[in-house]
Amino acid sequence: NAGVTQTPKFQVLKTGQSMTLQCAQDMNHNSMYWYRQDPGMGLRLIYYSASEGTTDKGEVPNGYNVSRLNKREFSLRLESAAPSQTSVYFCASSEPGQPFYGYTFGSGTRLTVV
Amino acid sequence: SQQGEEDPQALSIQEGENATMNCSYKTSINNLQWYRQNSGRGLVHLILIRSNEREKHSGRLRVTLDTSKKSSSLLITASRAADTASYFCATDWDSNYQLIWGAGTKLIIKP
Repeated sequence: NAGVTQTPKFQVLKTGQSMTLQCAQDMNHNSMYWYRQDPGMGLRLIYYSASEGTTDKGEVPNGYNVSRLNKREFSLRLESAAPSQTSVYFCASSEPGQPFYGYTFGSGTRLTVV
Repeated sequence: SQQGEEDPQALSIQEGENATMNCSYKTSINNLQWYRQNSGRGLVHLILIRSNEREKHSGRLRVTLDTSKKSSSLLITASRAADTASYFCATDWDSNYQLIWGAGTKLIIKP
């Protein structure tokens, strides 16, 4: 099925550990995004990639790095995990510009940092 | 934060009734979208309305947009148990790389 695939679905880290969240889309979209979702906070943009070869900070980039590996893949790295990074992480993709047709989201990664 | 606002925060209705939720925003927009999120799942795009449109339908969904009031409403008619989910609005104005999201309305359909 066409869509956005995220791995892993669940992860528990100890404070200070590092990990990479993987995201791949097969819709040939140019733009990709990483969001975090916390209770009562809605969705907050961490980083986005407008097109292959470019990345930009969103609303909450501190503590994260990203890599746009190719047009399909966009990874999010936590170098030294902190309990404040406990959240559900969503990857999304879209075709930018107008007319705009919205985002396609992955199913999420539930991360707990202890 | 640049969050939009949705109300109500939570809504509980009987199956078969209509559900209406509202979204307000602060800046001029190009598009406004509604997404659904089932518990523990990703968001699913439901419908997009452009700034020059006033009403749009998709199946049991009806979206209205009032740019003078900077508000939108989502109506779900003849609700079903499967409509139980959180519903989010999102707007884009300058570019569609950084959407402005509402905090969501949690809808519960009682059988």
